[in-house]
Amino acid sequence: QVQLQQSGPGLVKPSQTLSLTCAISGDSVSSNSAAWNWIRQSPSRGLEWLGRTYHRSKWYNDYAVSVRSRITINPDTSKNQFSLQLDSVTPEDTAVYYCAREYYYDTSGLTAIDYWGQGTLVTVSS
Amino acid sequence: QTVVTQEPSLTVSPGGTVTLTCASSTGAVTSGYYPNWFQQKPGQAPRALIYSTDNKHSWTPARFSGSLLGGKAALTLSGVQPEDEAEYFCLLYYGGTWVFGGGTKLTVL
Repeated sequence: QVQLQQSGPGLVKPSQTLSLTCAISGDSVSSNSAAWNWIRQSPSRGLEWLGRTYHRSKWYNDYAVSVRSRITINPDTSKNQFSLQLDSVTPEDTAVYYCAREYYYDTSGLTAIDYWGQGTLVTVSS
Repeated sequence: QTVVTQEPSLTVSPGGTVTLTCASSTGAVTSGYYPNWFQQKPGQAPRALIYSTDNKHSWTPARFSGSLLGGKAALTLSGVQPEDEAEYFCLLYYGGTWVFGGGTKLTVL
């Protein structure tokens, strides 16, 4: 059973950096069959995929165009977790942030986003 | 900017059948978009229902099914239960990025 446990501050000041962590149990951040995603949800923007990190002989990242200049997702193999950093935040970045596992079924090529973290409400306000 | 479109709201009677759809602004949705479907109830994280068009997770009730229909991804609920009242989101893959639909609020009435 995969579990994702999120942690990080719920309040960030404008222009500062939003930082969240997602601790993984039941799988490995280095798995060659998984990717580790960050997603956010707000009333104005709905569910928005932000990006992912994954390991396939080396580490890769993909990011949404909307946040590409401000986002970094990093794996931490020593702690089996991954993190989100979003720079220069504004009130528009206020949202519930989720981490989620994307699993790739090697034999069939099927792909699922299956397990989600509990969500973290991050408010950007001074 | 790629847009994924779902019906904003649908209503179904208990025991009835309803189909939710998911369209892409780029054209017909195919299996190569790996359509995923999620259910979300207020105050909860989304729960995965369907992956890669028509595959169920081990926890997905049998009354939920996925398909491709008329160039769209589709989620069909057969024998709807009151507890199926929720918002449903689709998710499509665009070669390195994922895009969510705006969601369908399903009312069971």
